[in-house]
Amino acid sequence: AQKVTQAQTEISVVEKEDVTLDCVYETRDTTYYLFWYKQPPSGELVFLIRRNSFDEQNEISGRYSWNFQKSTSSFNFTITASQVVDSAVYFCALHSGGYQKVTFGIGTKLQVIP
Amino acid sequence: DSGVTQTPKHLITATGQRVTLRCSPRSGDLSVYWYQQSLDQGLQFLIQYYNGEERAKGNILERFSAQQFPDLHSELNLSSLELGDSALYFCASSEGVVAEAFFGQGTRLTVV
Repeated sequence: AQKVTQAQTEISVVEKEDVTLDCVYETRDTTYYLFWYKQPPSGELVFLIRRNSFDEQNEISGRYSWNFQKSTSSFNFTITASQVVDSAVYFCALHSGGYQKVTFGIGTKLQVIP
Repeated sequence: DSGVTQTPKHLITATGQRVTLRCSPRSGDLSVYWYQQSLDQGLQFLIQYYNGEERAKGNILERFSAQQFPDLHSELNLSSLELGDSALYFCASSEGVVAEAFFGQGTRLTVV
């Protein structure tokens, strides 16, 4: 069975603070893919990043960075110098290799206060 | 604009009725995914099609069915609707069987 846990349901930070969104996953597959999506108040879901289970390199994209650690089954997302436009719900998702379903976490609502 | 088109954007219907939601994937994408988002269940994966064939099945009720046509557009059919089926239904598409998915704007279904 697959499971994605986003323990933080809501986070509030003041603009320019750094914030880390946690994601812990469970799967028995050795090949799998992890994703982060952003859902702003307008409602659409925006793809942010994909990581496969064989690539543990951390990634940085502008103010966004991701820390993938297989040893702890975590795929955490950090926003540096947060901005009001970062306010959204962020979803972590798991797609196991093969004929497996996609599992989303419950989402973390981030509010960045000016 | 993700390139994924969903119609209609809003739908209000009565219990017991049947509706069809339509999705046109991005040009070149062979996979289509359907998701249901509700306040109590979160984002639930329903089903995936790849190049016309069912690829993976999630928490899709027996009252729901889907298909992907030769032109790669997809339809999600919801029948014998219940109040609890009120939700936002998303379609997403990707190039391969596992790839970053691009989501449509969603269809907001309200069952009254």
